[in-house]
Parts: sequence; structure tokens; C-alpha cells
Amino acid sequence: QSVLTQPPSASGTPGQRVTISCSGRSSNIGSNTVNWYQQFPGTAPKLLIYSNNQRPTGVPDRFSGSKSGTSASLAISGLQSEDEGDYYCATWDDSLVEVFGGGTKLTVL
Amino acid sequence: QVQLRESGPGLVKPSQTLFLTCSVSGDSIASDYHYWSWIRQSPGKGLEWIGYISPEGRAYYNPSLKGRVDISLETSKNQFSLRLSSVTAADTAVYYCARHWSGYNDYWGQGTLVTVSS
Repeated sequence: QSVLTQPPSASGTPGQRVTISCSGRSSNIGSNTVNWYQQFPGTAPKLLIYSNNQRPTGVPDRFSGSKSGTSASLAISGLQSEDEGDYYCATWDDSLVEVFGGGTKLTVL
Repeated sequence: QVQLRESGPGLVKPSQTLFLTCSVSGDSIASDYHYWSWIRQSPGKGLEWIGYISPEGRAYYNPSLKGRVDISLETSKNQFSLRLSSVTAADTAVYYCARHWSGYNDYWGQGTLVTVSS
């Protein structure tokens, strides 16, 4: 069971806007920044969003992140078929352990 | 371009020690800015942080691994390594090394599958 809670699945049609939630506690999300990783089958996770809402170079601005209190969200606008994959949120706990969500499998219908 | 690559045995017997190495190119593991992480993913499951090490060699571990883990630097080879002792089937996973900076992992290796089985 993961420390951070994500919905196991999400879906949308091409062009739609999809959001993925990530819920934690005051000891993790509530007091630290949140990062998001994208993973395709058989490949390593890739940093998608860091420090709640920052995009690494090369990540399209269709991807955005936000945080409020003990929850965070990843939004994907203009959904594309190549966005289909797994998405993980991550942060640090006050006990100095990096914690992850269980992952959300995004399906583009 | 920063690249990381894990290497080590793909099969380890129960109760033995798992040993993996991460070779880094495009950055120096002895630089002042980055830590170096190990993260694993059990088949079909989520990600688990194992620990990381500072450029000075100070290591931090996930308490869930209960003292079985050791991460060390080999600066002359620009590599860092993972030792996990007393392994069981629950340690079967894809093991990733990654570069850590300011709270996030910005570069990852491709991962290596380690199976614990007799």
C-alpha cells in the first residue's frame, strides 16, 4: 500500500483535459513539494513535473501541476494518444523518506 | 547528456546479497550538487525509494529495508553501488539508479530486473 493515494486509472478522449489526483498527509505533501513522473511500459520513469508546477525542458505545456494543502493534481490538456501510460506522484516525508503514489494508468480512448 | 546505467546479476538466491552498480556519464558523482539514488519497482507495482548518497558519501536509507541496505560511492570509476542483504522473493524488482537534485530525480537509468529465486 502506497503512502500517497492516486486513482488506479483515468481515461479520456483525444483533445480532452484529464486530471490525476494525489492525496497525502501534512507530514508529506502538506510540508514538501510534489513531483510527477511519467512511465511507459518497459521503460524508466521520466520526470514530468517538479516542485509542484515546474516543467523540465522539453515537457510540453499541456502538462501542468498544482498543489493545495495535502493534495496535488496533474492536469493534461489536449490529450494525445502518446500520453497513454502510468503516472506517479512523489514527495518527501518529514522522516526524510521519498514516498510515491501507487500510480495511475492513463488510457486514451 | 547525463546517462546512468545499472549493471549486476539478474538472479540472486534467497538469503544472499544483491549487488548492483550504477555507471554515470555526463556528470561527476563527486560534484557538489547532486545526490545519487536507488529506487525499485516490484513487478506490476509502484515505486519504492531505497535510499541515496551524497557526493561526500553520506547515505540515507528507507527504514522499511531494516538495515539490510548499503549504498556507496566509487568516485574513481564514477559509479555508485547498492548492496541489499538477506534477500527474499519480496525483493524481486526492477532496480533503477537515478540522479537526485533538490527533491526530485531528474535522470534515471533504464533499470535492471533482479529476480530472487533458488
